[in-house]
Amino acid sequence: DGGITQSPKYLFRKEGQNVTLSCEQNLNHDAMYWYRQDPGQGLRLIYYSQIVNDFQKGDIAEGYSVSREKKESFPLTVTSAQKNPTAFYLCASRTGGGGSPRYGYTFGSGTRLTVV
Amino acid sequence: QQPVQSPQAVILREGEDAVINCSSSKALYSVHWYRQKHGEAPVFLMILLKGGEQKGHEKISASFNEKKQQSSLYLTASQLSYSGTYFCGTEYRGSGNTGKLIFGQGTTLQVKP
Repeated sequence: DGGITQSPKYLFRKEGQNVTLSCEQNLNHDAMYWYRQDPGQGLRLIYYSQIVNDFQKGDIAEGYSVSREKKESFPLTVTSAQKNPTAFYLCASRTGGGGSPRYGYTFGSGTRLTVV
Repeated sequence: QQPVQSPQAVILREGEDAVINCSSSKALYSVHWYRQKHGEAPVFLMILLKGGEQKGHEKISASFNEKKQQSSLYLTASQLSYSGTYFCGTEYRGSGNTGKLIFGQGTTLQVKP
């Protein structure tokens, strides 16, 4: 079955460490997105990518970095510059990127990151 | 820029109806609706593209008033399985066809037996 796989499910980070969250999809979707969700709040856009080797900053990109070397993969690195990284991180994809607005997002199951 | 959802929370008895609203201060191209169960990923319910468009999914339907820049989600004869947090995601006109969505803060729906 096609879908999006996020790993790990839970991640603990020490102060000053960089950590990378994995997002892999086998849906052949062009566009991929990273969102951050804090308790009781909505989803805020971190980064997005419409095609391979290209990505754009979202509303809260500071302290994060991404890469899109393959269509299937869109990893997110939470750097030490992100002062409050504890949150639930969701990766999503959509077919056709911005040219196909008729389709909804497919979300991964998320990674819960905690700073210890 | 974030769309505003109302109400923030609603509690229903099984079989009752509810309406969730999503309002934007910017011109909308499309509105998506998602439902998220606690600790899980959001699940896509429906997308509305044209002004006045209405779509349905099971006993859940939605409308899109392009002129007022708002959408409403209607849940009729609610079931226990409808419990969760509902989010609207908006795509703004002039966003350059990026496909990116800006989500509202969510409406928590609890259906009791």
